Amino acid sequence: GESVGLHLPTLSVQEGDNSIINCAYSNSASDYFIWYKQESGKGPQFIIDIRSNMDKRQGQRVTVLLNKTVKHLSLQIAATQPGDSAVYFCAETQIQGAQKLVFGQGTRLTINP
Amino acid sequence: GAVVSQHPSRVICKSGTSVKIECRSLDFQATTMFWYRQFPKQSLMLMATSNEGSKATYEQGVEKDKFLINHASLTLSTLTVTSAHPEDSSFYICSARDWARLTGELFFGEGSRLTVL
Repeated sequence: GESVGLHLPTLSVQEGDNSIINCAYSNSASDYFIWYKQESGKGPQFIIDIRSNMDKRQGQRVTVLLNKTVKHLSLQIAATQPGDSAVYFCAETQIQGAQKLVFGQGTRLTINP
Repeated sequence: GAVVSQHPSRVICKSGTSVKIECRSLDFQATTMFWYRQFPKQSLMLMATSNEGSKATYEQGVEKDKFLINHASLTLSTLTVTSAHPEDSSFYICSARDWARLTGELFFGEGSRLTVL
């Protein structure tokens, strides 16, 4: 079936550096994408979203890029902090219809001091 | 912001017993709630879509008679794991969509960790 996948399961970066987490999706009908952060033992926390009519969206220290041509999504975190250490999931859905979220594999981001 | 609450956050039960997990939307109404299961070091897998006032829609491979879902009000959905076995031990997470927000943002509960002995 269709799924959302991630290229890297783990990523380690130095504190203060920028990090980029990638995601590939396969459902061409998806038009809404979300990045979630999940800390150990907790539920996913919304970070940023983007609709398919956009290719870039910026938040506070985070930027999401969407490339619909190659069905690729990325999350950029600027000036990483220890508190950014977590597992990051991308998810896809459709604004209309069942609106079920399909989650990617997840990337564990570790911030080294 | 919108809050989704789950209870209990942790539960340990004996094999063969049933466990009920509650999911509440605290400051918004949710006609639809979603139940996910997450095994250690894995992603969230959608189990079922809970619809207020009607039967839940289960994903392929999820036993509806084992995972009973009730969505009796616009703020409460329950998941009952019947005759639980050790392989049912997992992190169960619910989510609800707040359609009053422009994007219909999906909010997640803090999860319920089930351990079946």
